[in-house]
Amino acid sequence: DTGVSQDPRHKITKRGQNVTFRCDPISEHNRLYWYRQTLGQGPEFLTYFQNEAQLEKSRLLSDRFSAERPKGSFSTLEIQRTEQGDSAMYLCASSLAPPGNTIYFGEGSWLTVV
Amino acid sequence: QKEVEQDPGPLSVPEGAIVSLNCTYSNSAFQYFMWYRQYSRKGPELLMYTYSSGNKEDGRFTAQVDKSSKYISLFIRDSQPSDSATYLCAMSDNSGGSNYKLTFGKGTLLTVNP
Repeated sequence: DTGVSQDPRHKITKRGQNVTFRCDPISEHNRLYWYRQTLGQGPEFLTYFQNEAQLEKSRLLSDRFSAERPKGSFSTLEIQRTEQGDSAMYLCASSLAPPGNTIYFGEGSWLTVV
Repeated sequence: QKEVEQDPGPLSVPEGAIVSLNCTYSNSAFQYFMWYRQYSRKGPELLMYTYSSGNKEDGRFTAQVDKSSKYISLFIRDSQPSDSATYLCAMSDNSGGSNYKLTFGKGTLLTVNP
C-alpha cells in the first residue's frame, strides 16, 4: 500500500495522559497536513509542513499540541495532558507542492479520552 | 455563517437513482473545489477535483462549480449500494500561490438502497 499511513488507528487514553500519532505520507509528497474531525463534522485544518518546515498552525492547535516532521518524511502529532474534548479522529494527508497538489488523506487515528 | 454550508441529509435513494449533492460557500477567494467520499470510520477519499468554474465528469460522477452563485454540486448517476457513504465538499483559496488549507462542509450521509 503506497497511500498515507497512520499509526495507531485507535487509541484510548485516560485524561491527563500524553499521546502521539505517527503519519507516513506518500513517498514523493513534500507537503504533509494534519486535520481533526469530530462526529458529524467535516475535517478541520490543524497544521501543515512543506518538507521539514511547519508553515502554518491553526488556532485550533493549542499549546498542548505539537507536530514535527524532523527529516521531511514522517510526521508525529503529540497531544499533552489530554482532555475529553480532544476525542476525535486525527487525519494526516499529503500532497506534492504545486502545481500537482491534490491532497490525499490517510485512514485516520481515532482518539478516545476517558 | 460558516464558510461552507452543505445539505445535511441524510439522503436515502433507491439503487439506480441520480443523486445530487450540493454545497454553498461565502468566501469568493475559493478557487479549488473537491468532493471526498468517506466511509464509516475511514479517512476521506478524493473523488473529484476542479479548479474554478465549470463541469468535470469522471465515470458516473459529475462535479459542477458555479462561482457566480458560490454553489457546487456533485451528481452521481446510476447510484449503487456501494456509493453509500458520507460525501464531503471541500474547497481552498490560492493563499501564497497554492492551495494548502481545505475548508470542508459537514458532509451529507447518503444511503443507496438495493
